Amino acid sequence: DAGVIQSPRHEVTEMGQEVTLRCKPISGHNSLFWYRQTMMRGLELLIYFNNNVPIDDSGMPEDRFSAKMPNASFSTLKIQPSEPRDSAVYFCASSRGLAGGGTQYFGPGTRLLVL
Amino acid sequence: GQQVMQIPQYQHVQEGEDFTTYCNSSTTLSNIQWYKQRPGGHPVFLIQLVKSGEVKKQKRLTFQFGEAKKNSSLHITATQTTDVGTYFCAGNNNDMRFGAGTRLTVKP
Repeated sequence: DAGVIQSPRHEVTEMGQEVTLRCKPISGHNSLFWYRQTMMRGLELLIYFNNNVPIDDSGMPEDRFSAKMPNASFSTLKIQPSEPRDSAVYFCASSRGLAGGGTQYFGPGTRLLVL
Repeated sequence: GQQVMQIPQYQHVQEGEDFTTYCNSSTTLSNIQWYKQRPGGHPVFLIQLVKSGEVKKQKRLTFQFGEAKKNSSLHITATQTTDVGTYFCAGNNNDMRFGAGTRLTVKP
């Protein structure tokens, strides 16, 4: 099993640019999570999907952030326009069942730096 | 909403000393999970506790779930340099909330 796949692994961009992060969950997992991790705020849940449907997006910081899951094997997190304070590591995770259930398997993360 | 508090934020120990991190929830949990994140890595699942008062062991690691299912602890006996990393608890009650993590450093 390849595990959760994220791309890109690193992204450096300038303020105002659009950033798109991608995630491929583990096959057979029906829940997908996007997290943001910083030293100051720790690990924050941004949004999670169950069966491709967004269930809880209360963690999405503001309208500049959007996430989609067009099918069971792909999700994107988009930031438009990006700002320096968006610099963080963004993790995608997947699991079987709902958020209150099974083990979450994390991808390697995307390290985003917004200049 | 549900909040999960974890202490301490940092812990530095000499190799061979014991280490404990504590997790407290504002609400009763259906279960709690523990994860470890190595420096530069991603969180990796360690264990899940479900039953009130449950105790589980993994070699030198001992996990406990409180009787009221609102708190949990992870204890490492005789730490080694390979134990370095951040340990997160994640409380589940219809949704999962991660604690802030305890960052463990070990001096050889």
